[in-house]
Amino acid sequence: EVQLVESGGGLVRPGGSLRLSCAASGFTFDDYAMHWVRQVPGKGLEWVSGISWNGGRIAYADSVKARFTVSRDNARNSLYLQISSLRPEDTAFYYCAKSWGGVNYFFDHWGQGTLVTVSS
Amino acid sequence: QSVLTQPPSASGTPGQRVTISCSGSNSNIGSNTVNWYQQLPGTAPKLLIYNNNQRPSGVPDRFSGSKSGTSASLAISGLQSEDEADYYCAAWDDRLNGLWVFGGGTKLTVL
Repeated sequence: EVQLVESGGGLVRPGGSLRLSCAASGFTFDDYAMHWVRQVPGKGLEWVSGISWNGGRIAYADSVKARFTVSRDNARNSLYLQISSLRPEDTAFYYCAKSWGGVNYFFDHWGQGTLVTVSS
Repeated sequence: QSVLTQPPSASGTPGQRVTISCSGSNSNIGSNTVNWYQQLPGTAPKLLIYNNNQRPSGVPDRFSGSKSGTSASLAISGLQSEDEADYYCAAWDDRLNGLWVFGGGTKLTVL
């Protein structure tokens, strides 16, 4: 059974940084691209970033480019999102999602999300 | 403002058929397949329809998807109370280096 478990969320001050992690199990992690999708509480879904199986292809939403960095460690079956220069509008649930194939394939499994709150 | 346009709400009574539309452009829906996600209250999104009209294992055949040009639709027939949820369309967009775009979501209410 595919499992994706996010961690690392919490309360952070504006301008601060945070590193989110996603622990994957139940599938061959290094065969698939992975993504981060966020959702402001009560609002819609926003794709944040995607990374190919080997990190060779990375894409970001314009709203986070230059502030967020996605990476993965295939030996640890883990996906990461380094988020910096945080703004109140970055407050959201951050979901890890597995791609069916490459970065441009649909998301077939999602984690339960981790909440990031940016506030002074 | 979402790149893909969905109605913010939809409703129906048990047993009815409802449809939810999703409008995009040539760079996303016009060039790539559409996927639909269902988000039940308080839970993570779940894949409902992929590649325009394919259902993952376990999704009832009451749910169906279609695409024409730069628009897509999700249809739910035999509406049930447990279908009350938020529904999102998504597609790969070929602009720039490529990115995923979502619709703003449609809240379905079963009356």
